Amino acid sequence: ELKVEQNPLFLSMQEGKNYTIYCNYSTTSDRLYWYRQDPGKSLESLFVLLSNGAVKQEGRLMASLDTKARLSTLHITAAVHDLSATYFCAVDGGATNKLIFGTGTLLAVQP
Amino acid sequence: DTEVTQTPKHLVMGMTNKKSLKCEQHMGHRAMYWYKQKAKKPPELMFVYSYEKLSINESVPSRFSPECPNSSLLNLHLHALQPEDSALYLCASLSDANTIYFGEGSWLTVV
Repeated sequence: ELKVEQNPLFLSMQEGKNYTIYCNYSTTSDRLYWYRQDPGKSLESLFVLLSNGAVKQEGRLMASLDTKARLSTLHITAAVHDLSATYFCAVDGGATNKLIFGTGTLLAVQP
Repeated sequence: DTEVTQTPKHLVMGMTNKKSLKCEQHMGHRAMYWYKQKAKKPPELMFVYSYEKLSINESVPSRFSPECPNSSLLNLHLHALQPEDSALYLCASLSDANTIYFGEGSWLTVV
């Protein structure tokens, strides 16, 4: 059974600092997604990582995928308040298109 | 156009009512999903339709009944729900480029 774990669950950061969110999963997968969710809103797609070693960057966020270690990271550079949200990783379980979400990381960026 | 449209945005229903949630996308996507999300929790997979056929049912109670009339539409029929079924219901679709787009969600309250 596919399990997806994230850590930390809660992250309080100061503006301007860097930090990394980790996403571990339990079975082989070649598709990993990162989403952002603001309170009371739906999910916004941030990144789709489709192969081992994939790295994608958008603004202050950079995501990477290591399929051998079954690990993805979301790195935040020089955090700003606007990045405050909950971040989820989600892993596709394969041919069945079964997408399972991680536990989520609530990011609070303090001025 | 990457839009997934869900209606209604808000629904209040009694425990004896029958109602439906609707989801529509016109991107020719090959899979569509229903998720349930409770407050401060990750989205929980309910159903997956692949090429209009039900491919995954995550042991969802029969009071939830999915339907996929065609490649653009996905319904979730609701009957005899319980107050604990109150949640945000999210629809998503999977593109050929392996991006998964989410709708804005339907907020369901069972009274």
